[in-house]
Amino acid sequence: QKEVEQNSGPLSVPEGAIASLNCTYSDRGSQSFFWYRQYSGKSPELIMSIYSNGDKEDGRFTAQLNKASQYVSLLIRDSQPSDSATYLCAVKLGGSEKLVFGKGTKLTVNP
Amino acid sequence: GAVVSQHPSRVICKSGTSVKIECRSLDFQATTMFWYRQFPKKSLMLMATSNEGSKATYEQGVEKDKFLINHASLTLSTLTVTSAHPEDSSFYICSARDREGEKLFFGSGTQLSVL
Repeated sequence: QKEVEQNSGPLSVPEGAIASLNCTYSDRGSQSFFWYRQYSGKSPELIMSIYSNGDKEDGRFTAQLNKASQYVSLLIRDSQPSDSATYLCAVKLGGSEKLVFGKGTKLTVNP
Repeated sequence: GAVVSQHPSRVICKSGTSVKIECRSLDFQATTMFWYRQFPKKSLMLMATSNEGSKATYEQGVEKDKFLINHASLTLSTLTVTSAHPEDSSFYICSARDREGEKLFFGSGTQLSVL
């Protein structure tokens, strides 16, 4: 069973702080990793994709990938109340078109 | 990013009826679409992979005779929940990959409530 694990939270941070979200995966053959944001009652929205070890920055978001340790993380700098949502980690299985999702981490940014 | 349109957004129906959900890729051709189901406070679970011009591939535990998938064209896939029961109440979401084939974009989802 290919798994993607996330801390379900909730994670609470004050406005302006850095929010750190973590994810581990079991399939060593995975090469593509994604972070999605999902507001309550809405469908997921793609925030970041990362394919190589290291950091990838896009605005206030930074994705980090370490394939040797099989983890991927998302940092949100200068967190805003509008960032409050559930963040889903998704991993594309090696040799497959399937995307496996973690259960998500609920983030609350307090004004 | 790619645009995926899904409707209806919400359906309330009586037990035993069938419900059809449509998913369209608006600005690109999607040879493959994916159907997910999400129960409250749970993650997305892949139900099936919809392939244009061929039969859908269902995940283990998903009844293909209950969840009928038709990928009629390169821009349209439909999911029909046949003889719906209260336990089928869930959030159903379709998705498709963009032209490069890596990133997955989602439709707006359909909240199905079976009474």
